[in-house]
Amino acid sequence: AQSVTQPDIHITVSEGASLELRCNYSYGATPYLFWYVQSPGQGLQLLLKYFSGDTLVQGIKGFEAEFKRSQSSFNLRKPSVHWSDAAEYFCAVGHGSSNTGKLIFGQGTTLQVKP
Amino acid sequence: DAGVTQSPTHLIKTRGQQVTLRCSPISGHKSVSWYQQVLGQGPQFIFQYYEKEERGRGNFPDRFSARQFPNYSSELNVNALLLGDSALYLCASSLGQGGNQPQHFGDGTRLSIL
Repeated sequence: AQSVTQPDIHITVSEGASLELRCNYSYGATPYLFWYVQSPGQGLQLLLKYFSGDTLVQGIKGFEAEFKRSQSSFNLRKPSVHWSDAAEYFCAVGHGSSNTGKLIFGQGTTLQVKP
Repeated sequence: DAGVTQSPTHLIKTRGQQVTLRCSPISGHKSVSWYQQVLGQGPQFIFQYYEKEERGRGNFPDRFSARQFPNYSSELNVNALLLGDSALYLCASSLGQGGNQPQHFGDGTRLSIL
């Protein structure tokens, strides 16, 4: 069965420091992978996605993620964190078929940014 | 262009009641999916509708039902509400039905059951 694990429930980084949020997935074939961000009281905003090709993908707000098939991972990175990046981040895996758009989400990582 | 819009934004119900949540997708999007997000957890898939037909259903009881209208808007109905149904209900729309279609989320409906 498909599953997504985000090992870190909470992460605190200083403003200007680099960030890496971990995501591991379980899926039988090449998955479609997504990172979403959720600010308090709001819906989810798509940061970036991976379908195929170059394993390093660029997203909005300066985020990037790297797909590593051997490690079943899709970690999210940002070189320099801004205070406005404080939010909850979700990794999700989509079914690799044309028949369903169902997403399986991890339980999320809450990012706190210290001034 | 307007994003995904959901109504109402907040709702308070009591156990045993019924509720209807509404979603309008982004213009041109034909697929609508519903997710339940309990506090402190990631969203869980409830339904997907594409071209007015159910294309997927998550592990939710029959008390949950949905439909999609000719204009691609959608309603989620929950009957016989339980305390455990308290959650943020998110609607997402996409151009097509496949897993490679990025889904765009609304801000959700916060449902509280007393």
